Amino acid sequence: DSGVTQTPKHLITATGQRVTLRCSPRSGDLSVYWYQQSLDQGLQFLIQYYNGEERAKGNILERFSAQQFPDLHSELNLSSLELGDSALYFCASSISNEQFFGPGTRLTVL
Amino acid sequence: GENVEQHPSTLSVQEGDSAVIKCTYSDSASNYFPWYKQELGKRPQLIIDIRSNVGEKKDQRIAVTLNKTAKHFSLHITETQPEDSAVYFCAASASYNTDKLIFGTGTRLQVFP
Repeated sequence: DSGVTQTPKHLITATGQRVTLRCSPRSGDLSVYWYQQSLDQGLQFLIQYYNGEERAKGNILERFSAQQFPDLHSELNLSSLELGDSALYFCASSISNEQFFGPGTRLTVL
Repeated sequence: GENVEQHPSTLSVQEGDSAVIKCTYSDSASNYFPWYKQELGKRPQLIIDIRSNVGEKKDQRIAVTLNKTAKHFSLHITETQPEDSAVYFCAASASYNTDKLIFGTGTRLQVFP
């Protein structure tokens, strides 16, 4: 157990819908990262927050957004969902370089 | 742009043999290189990492080497066991203002008893 928690574990929804994925970092970690893992794309960095502020953006679609709250938990919002958004979404947290991953949320868009 | 190439994509070895996975990175400012092991449906787990001021690091049966000049780093697993079977990912990061990880495409390692 890495100490990073994610909810829900599984999410099944329809195209066009909107979902919210939640991540709680390890105690004391200020940085939260979101990654997308699909079969043909590997692990892709989406976005990083540090102590409530956006720190870096990767290949995140405009339909996706995220935020980090004062208690340091983070949410990833995915809207206007498409079939291709089906993937495993991981968050990770760190206090230095070492990143520890949560168990992931498996999103299936039908 | 930032890129990490990883080879081979699949690797099959006999139990007890060694396995080597190689990665090449493009960003010369990269200074941190972790390796993750991911079992099917599970989270990536950090197994070893190396920083740019070190050429080699070892932890029991696993070791990582770094050649900054060639922008290469490698994972070495000795005396492989069936439980080493998993997908292994290399990654690189540079601490400008972010230490986001750029991942390689993964290597599926199968260890046959």
